[in-house]
Amino acid sequence: EAQVTQNPRYLITVTGKKLTVTCSQNMNHEYMSWYRQDPGLGLRQIYYSMNVEVTDKGDVPEGYKVSRKEKRNFPLILESPSPNQTSLYFCASSSLRRTSGGGRGYEQYFGPGTRLTVT
Amino acid sequence: AQSVTQLGSHVSVSEGALVLLRCNYSSSVPPYLFWYVQYPNQGLQLLLKYTSAATLVKGINGFEAEFKKSETSFHLTKPSAHMSDAAEYFCAVSVTQGGKLIFGQGTELSVKP
Repeated sequence: EAQVTQNPRYLITVTGKKLTVTCSQNMNHEYMSWYRQDPGLGLRQIYYSMNVEVTDKGDVPEGYKVSRKEKRNFPLILESPSPNQTSLYFCASSSLRRTSGGGRGYEQYFGPGTRLTVT
Repeated sequence: AQSVTQLGSHVSVSEGALVLLRCNYSSSVPPYLFWYVQYPNQGLQLLLKYTSAATLVKGINGFEAEFKKSETSFHLTKPSAHMSDAAEYFCAVSVTQGGKLIFGQGTELSVKP
């Protein structure tokens, strides 16, 4: 079954204690992303990766790190979590699809989410 | 730059009534548009997608959306609401850079008995 998995699903931690949220996909997708979801703001991209060892910042990268050593895995690292990073986090993967109109688009597959609380 | 605006953060309808959730987009290239649904305490599920093959797109659970280039809109509709449709709905446009989706702010749909 094609899927994106994330672990843990729920995490409560304290300020400053390093943590890692794992993400794995089994669809051989080149692109992977991390989003955070906050009320009234929708989902915002944190970091993305276009392939192994290729990563770049999204819209809200401050306080986060990522790595892409294998194609299937894209962990999100919070070196020193703070309360403003309390959020719902989603990992997503995608492959490139060219639309018939000539545009390029990405159909994204989302993981189940990780609810993080930093106290 | 691409962007998405969802009109109305909360929409309430009666069971059996028409559901209309509004989405307007901005894109300098032919857009690739999506509607996602998020049920309480769950992840995102793809409802439907527009890939320029047809302007009227049918999705799961009886939802459909019509792409109107002249109005830059991609509104989501369902003829008859069910209680189980209560959820948050997100419109999104795909952008090339970063392989990411730009999401609207979301619309929470409530269904009254």
